[in-house]
Order: sequence, then structure tokens, then C-alpha cells
Amino acid sequence: NAGVTQTPKFQVLKTGQSMTLQCAQDMNHNSMYWYRQDPGMGLRLIYYSASEGTTDKGEVPNGYNVSRLNKREFSLRLESAAPSQTSVYFCASSERSRRNTEAFFGQGTRLTVV
Amino acid sequence: GQQLNQSPQSMFIQEGEDVSMNCTSSSIFNTWLWYKQDPGEGPVLLIALYKAGELTSNGRLTAQFGITRKDSFLNISASIPSDVGIYFCAGRNSGYSTLTFGKGTMLLVSP
Repeated sequence: NAGVTQTPKFQVLKTGQSMTLQCAQDMNHNSMYWYRQDPGMGLRLIYYSASEGTTDKGEVPNGYNVSRLNKREFSLRLESAAPSQTSVYFCASSERSRRNTEAFFGQGTRLTVV
Repeated sequence: GQQLNQSPQSMFIQEGEDVSMNCTSSSIFNTWLWYKQDPGEGPVLLIALYKAGELTSNGRLTAQFGITRKDSFLNISASIPSDVGIYFCAGRNSGYSTLTFGKGTMLLVSP
């Protein structure tokens, strides 16, 4: 059972380049999330998709776009990368129900923008 | 927005010692989750708490959902070197809302 799979694991970009981070989950979860993790800042929500066909901004959405391609896949796009977007990016998924609130994470994408 | 204050920020302890960390919130949560992140990995769920006052154990880990629903505690007994990592608390109101994370407690264990 793979859980949440992110690709790539590492990436170096030049300022101004674009790229898409991919995420797929095999747990049949409705909700998916993108977080970024910076030293001393914890995990901050960039965008989320509560269910297939919907996306919403989180705490730090500027400079990013997302696509919920289908129930399994949720991608994060950087249109014009900036050094401030150097970070570790995590995708997560969870069931969408009143009681079940556990979220499961991928292994992360380590992005450096030079 | 909602904020979680997690303390301490870091701890450096000797193997065999007990560890306590906590999270406090400016607002009420209906669920508290505790995650551990190993170096270079994603966060892994350790314990989920769903009811105020609930005390739940997972091996040497014990977590409590505060009675006010604004705080939670995690204790690790008899620490071992593989306990090293960052521990995050997270609060949530339901499966229909997003998770709010604390900034993490970095734990270092000396053999």
C-alpha cells in the first residue's frame, strides 16, 4: 500500500523557471492538501482540495497554482519560481467525514530555487 | 486565524529519560493529532484524540486531549535514540475542515 506518493523527491530550479509537483494517493480519500515546511515555521497550508472538482487557498497561496486532476491526483505548480519558494513541500490526503480526521503525508519534495 | 503554540521548541535529553511536550490553542478543536517527522521524511501519525479528556497510548507514547479542548499533551517514556525527530501537534474541527499545525518540537536523544 503506497499511501501518498510525491514526485520528484528533489529539484533545483533557476529563478523564473516553472515546474509542477505531482502527488497521488491510493487510499480513496476525498481531500488532498499541499503544505510547505520551512525551518522554525512548521507546516503551512498552501492550497487544498476538499473534494474532486474543488480547490481552495490556504495560508500561503501566493506564487502557486493547483489542479485536482481526479480523485487520486493533486498537483502544485510554480509558474515563475523565486528563491523564497525554496522549501520542502508535502502533499497529504484525508477522508472527508465528520468523524475521521486523520491526514496522511507523502515523503516530500525538496525544492531549491537559485 | 487559528494558532497553535507548541512547546518546547527543542529538547536535548539522555536516553532513558521521559519527555513531555504540549500544544495550546487560541480556539477549541474537536480533534487533536500528534505526528512525528524523521529526518528527510514526511510526518507520520502517532496518536489521534477525538474526545475532551481522552487519554490514549501508543507504546511508550501517551497523549491527552485537554478538558478545555484548547490544549493537548504528549509524553514519551524511557526515550531511546530512534525517538529523535520533530514532533508536531495538529488540531482540527472535523473532517470537513483543514488541519492547523504547531511549529514542532525537535527532540534529540543522547545515547
